[in-house]
Amino acid sequence: AAGVIQSPRHLIKEKRETATLKCYPIPRHDTVYWYQQGPGQDPQFLISFYEKMQSDKGSIPDRFSAQQFSDYHSELNMSSLELGDSALYFCASSLGMRKEQYFGPGTRLTVT
Amino acid sequence: QKEVEQNSGPLSVPEGAIASLNCTYSDRGSQSFFWYRQYSGKSPELIMFIYSNGDKEDGRFTAQLNKASQYVSLLIRDSQPSDSATYLCAVGKAAGNKLTFGGGTRVLVKP
Repeated sequence: AAGVIQSPRHLIKEKRETATLKCYPIPRHDTVYWYQQGPGQDPQFLISFYEKMQSDKGSIPDRFSAQQFSDYHSELNMSSLELGDSALYFCASSLGMRKEQYFGPGTRLTVT
Repeated sequence: QKEVEQNSGPLSVPEGAIASLNCTYSDRGSQSFFWYRQYSGKSPELIMFIYSNGDKEDGRFTAQLNKASQYVSLLIRDSQPSDSATYLCAVGKAAGNKLTFGGGTRVLVKP
């Protein structure tokens, strides 16, 4: 079965640079979620979109923005990167809100 | 106090035994409950979800939900070495989309 696709899988950036992470949900899934997982921590919710509209917002820094496009893929834009932004970033998708969320393989972001 | 609490473990079980994992949550408005398995450096893999009080079985896994006591549990029967991983309990509320995760329980299945 098709899964969530994330790109790139690994990304190395320097402080103050920008990064764009992409997420392609499971076909027919209309809701996309972004989570951040630091080393030894559990995933922390950042933001979600349902039918291309922001549906919920968590602890997402103002330096980050995201959107969902007409084909339901989503992009997380991160600016003025800090060392503390180094983490695994997961995208998840579901068919409808508050349904089972299936996670992608993640993007490992390293900020040096 | 975290919204979702789990014993961090490690929970060590012999191969073929039953592993029992527990999770408590603080928000009575929580509506949906999930168990994810996560191997080191990999993404969370959904293994069970439950929305109503009672038991739900799927293969070797059984999820149990008790909303009055605000706990959800996961039983893994006939544990295999490949079950060695961190198990994350995640809770969703009636409003909003986010999942709140517990800290995870590390399970070690010894041959």
